[in-house]
Amino acid sequence: QKEVEQDPGPLSVPEGAIVSLNCTYSNSAFQYFMWYRQYSRKGPELLMYTYSSGNKEDGRFTAQVDKSSKYISLFIRDSQPSDSATYLCAMITLTTDSWGKLQFGAGTQVVVTP
Amino acid sequence: NAGVTQTPKFRILKIGQSMTLQCTQDMNHNYMYWYRQDPGMGLKLIYYSVGAGITDKGEVPNGYNVSRSTTEDFPLRLELAAPSQTSVYFCASSYRSGGPRTQYFGPGTRLLVL
Repeated sequence: QKEVEQDPGPLSVPEGAIVSLNCTYSNSAFQYFMWYRQYSRKGPELLMYTYSSGNKEDGRFTAQVDKSSKYISLFIRDSQPSDSATYLCAMITLTTDSWGKLQFGAGTQVVVTP
Repeated sequence: NAGVTQTPKFRILKIGQSMTLQCTQDMNHNYMYWYRQDPGMGLKLIYYSVGAGITDKGEVPNGYNVSRSTTEDFPLRLELAAPSQTSVYFCASSYRSGGPRTQYFGPGTRLLVL
């Protein structure tokens, strides 16, 4: 079983719709939960992160973490064609010497059609 | 700041050839990483470094070597290229402290081994 599971999609939505993405994980020691966005033929870039459980909002983006269910979500409101990208979830546990291995999901390709 | 730069952008290798993928960062980050990304498989860690002169293996190190003689540079060496090494390679760097150790990625090198 992979440590982080993510549906690769593609997920196609019309402009203005809400995009819902999620990941499940098996390692209860993960502390930080991140979403990276990757445009075609580019490197991933951090979109937002959450520490432990709870919600975090940044403009049209909302990240949710449910540690009891080992489930994280990303919602994109009022989606735009510029949101078309691959979204990768990632998680990390930091050791006492500050090192941590980032564990990525496979990434979900999102296509927002005008 | 240029961030993380990688060269070359694209390369075709014949089976058995060798090459070095270059990576440079100008953010004075302690940590640097090499990942490979295959379709639908997410990012797999090849090697990482916590500082000049210190490197360690990630999940998929076989067929690769690294060195880190300076803070800025972290080249990845492929010896005896094989078709299984056809992939997109990303270099990344991060600070040693602060939050989730956000990783900043380069634009990637596309490698095709024929």
